[in-house]
Amino acid sequence: DAKTTQPPSMDCAEGRAANLPCNHSTISGNEYVYWYRQIHSQGPQYIIHGLKNNETNEMASLIITEDRKSSTLILPHATLRDTAVYYCIVRVGDMRFGAGTRLTVKP
Amino acid sequence: GAVVSQHPSWVICKSGTSVKIECRSLDFQATTMFWYRQFPKQSLMLMATSNEGSKATYEQGVEKDKFLINHASLTLSTLTVTSAHPEDSSFYICSAKTRMDEQYFGPGTRLTVT
Repeated sequence: DAKTTQPPSMDCAEGRAANLPCNHSTISGNEYVYWYRQIHSQGPQYIIHGLKNNETNEMASLIITEDRKSSTLILPHATLRDTAVYYCIVRVGDMRFGAGTRLTVKP
Repeated sequence: GAVVSQHPSWVICKSGTSVKIECRSLDFQATTMFWYRQFPKQSLMLMATSNEGSKATYEQGVEKDKFLINHASLTLSTLTVTSAHPEDSSFYICSAKTRMDEQYFGPGTRLTVT
């Protein structure tokens, strides 16, 4: 599975959009980009995934660059409950976690 | 989404004893289940992969005789930490994969070995 690089931490104001970047420059053609988040002392929660097209669901939007070497997870209106560690994972097989980005949503 | 449960949610045991953690897929059949371990302020580390009816595949550095995994049915996998020691204290998380290749995680089990 390709390696991902994410900033260790980010802050976002409540009500504003949170844009979380992820670099995956070694991604191969059949690898999907997955995003999970983990709120303190809980199991990871699935957010969204995509292959090459942009995706949107009730939680977030996923923007994947045309060359697929990077992606951005967008939480359109962040709330305090969105404070969590966000993991970007590129996979075909097993789900392996990197360090993730600790997002803190501030009032 | 599909639901994965774990039992117990937390457990305290004495050094030298064994602890069993259960992972169940509640509303789907899981062809494959995974076990992860997470130490404080660290990311999840994959320990092993188990397929129903076959032996688990362990990641490098994970002792298979210490962390016994049984995947007896399509909805249940168990992790037994044998002869637990304080350094085994951790947050253990399982996940289950559906036939559509979706992977769902359990809420985790916090193990404290005294």
